[in-house]
Amino acid sequence: AQSVTQLGSHVSVSEGALVLLRCNYSSSVPPYLFWYVQYPNQGLQLLLKYTSAATLVKGINGFEAEFKKSETSFHLTKPSAHMSDAAEYFCAVSDLKGSQGNLIFGKGTKLSVKP
Amino acid sequence: DAGVTQSPTHLIKTRGQHVTLRCSPISGHKSVSWYQQVLGQGPQFIFQYYEKEERGRGNFPDRFSARQFPNYSSELNVNALLLGDSALYLCASSLLAPIGETQYFGPGTRLLVL
Repeated sequence: AQSVTQLGSHVSVSEGALVLLRCNYSSSVPPYLFWYVQYPNQGLQLLLKYTSAATLVKGINGFEAEFKKSETSFHLTKPSAHMSDAAEYFCAVSDLKGSQGNLIFGKGTKLSVKP
Repeated sequence: DAGVTQSPTHLIKTRGQHVTLRCSPISGHKSVSWYQQVLGQGPQFIFQYYEKEERGRGNFPDRFSARQFPNYSSELNVNALLLGDSALYLCASSLLAPIGETQYFGPGTRLLVL
């Protein structure tokens, strides 16, 4: 069965520092992977998506993620954190069982940015 | 273009009642999925509809049901509400059946069961 593990339920960085949010997946077939961001009291917004076209995926707001098959990881990074990046981030894999394609989410990582 | 819209935004119900949540997908999108997000957790898949047919169902009791209309909008119904049904209910739409497709989420309906 496919699954997603996000290491660290809460990450705190200083403004201008590197952001690294970790995601490991479990899948027996090449996966479709996603990162979504959720601001307080809002829905989910897509940051970026991996579909095997390139291992380094660039997303919105300066975020990027690198797919590493050997490590079954898809970590999200941003070189310099802004205060506006404070939110909850979810990694997800597209469930390929039964051709459903629904998303399986990790538990989320809450990012805090200190001034 | 308008994104995914959901109504109502907030809802308070008491145990045992019934609730209907509504979702309008992005224009042209034919697939709608429903997710439940309990506080402090990631969203969990409830239902998926594509071209008005149920294509997938998550691990939720039969009290949960849904349907998709000819205009591709959707309703999620929950009967005999329990306290544990309190959550943010998210609707997502995608252009096609969502394998590998980007799912676009609405703002959600926050349900509180007292």
